[in-house]
Amino acid sequence: GENVEQHPSTLSVQEGDSAVIKCTYSDSASNYFPWYKQELGKRPQLIIDIRSNVGEKKDQRIAVTLNKTAKHFSLHITETQPEDSAVYFCAASNSGGSNYKLTFGKGTLLTVNP
Amino acid sequence: NAGVTQTPKFQVLKTGQSMTLQCAQDMNHEYMSWYRQDPGMGLRLIHYSVGAGITDQGEVPNGYNVSRSTTEDFPLRLLSAAPSQTSVYFCASRPTGRETQYFGPGTRLLVL
Repeated sequence: GENVEQHPSTLSVQEGDSAVIKCTYSDSASNYFPWYKQELGKRPQLIIDIRSNVGEKKDQRIAVTLNKTAKHFSLHITETQPEDSAVYFCAASNSGGSNYKLTFGKGTLLTVNP
Repeated sequence: NAGVTQTPKFQVLKTGQSMTLQCAQDMNHEYMSWYRQDPGMGLRLIHYSVGAGITDQGEVPNGYNVSRSTTEDFPLRLLSAAPSQTSVYFCASRPTGRETQYFGPGTRLLVL
């Protein structure tokens, strides 16, 4: 099955700096890569996703890049703000398969210091 | 729409007790799933369903049963609770043909 590795497990940055979280996946058939943000005590919420036919996607201060050859994808947050502090999860799936399953990384605790 | 709802929000069980975690969605989503979240382990898939009457095992199914009699409901049953099942449980759903999953608010379970 799919295996998703996520690094780093914790990340501390100063407000205004950039943050980068990296994930690798094992199944070359995976074609959908979402990122979820989970604030303390809350449910995971989708912040951005990318499909395998795209190399990069941006949404304001958030961007995701995908390297299919190397089987890794990254989340980039620019101009970080204290409200960006949360746990971030990457995930991967083969959305075209009949047994669609989303496999998650173990998460990155991002702390943005004012 | 209420989205994905879960009850209860918090539950304490004794070892060996049974209980059912409820999950419901009012978005007519075909796909529903249950995850457990443990510190440092991310979200792990327990069971999932691609439609009423169809269920399948995920990564960590042992100790849990599910059924899907309607499109709206996907309950998770713990037959004999164990301390290792102490966790936060999330239910999620997604519509057919779309990849985005929507999570419920979670149920925090403590097994003593």
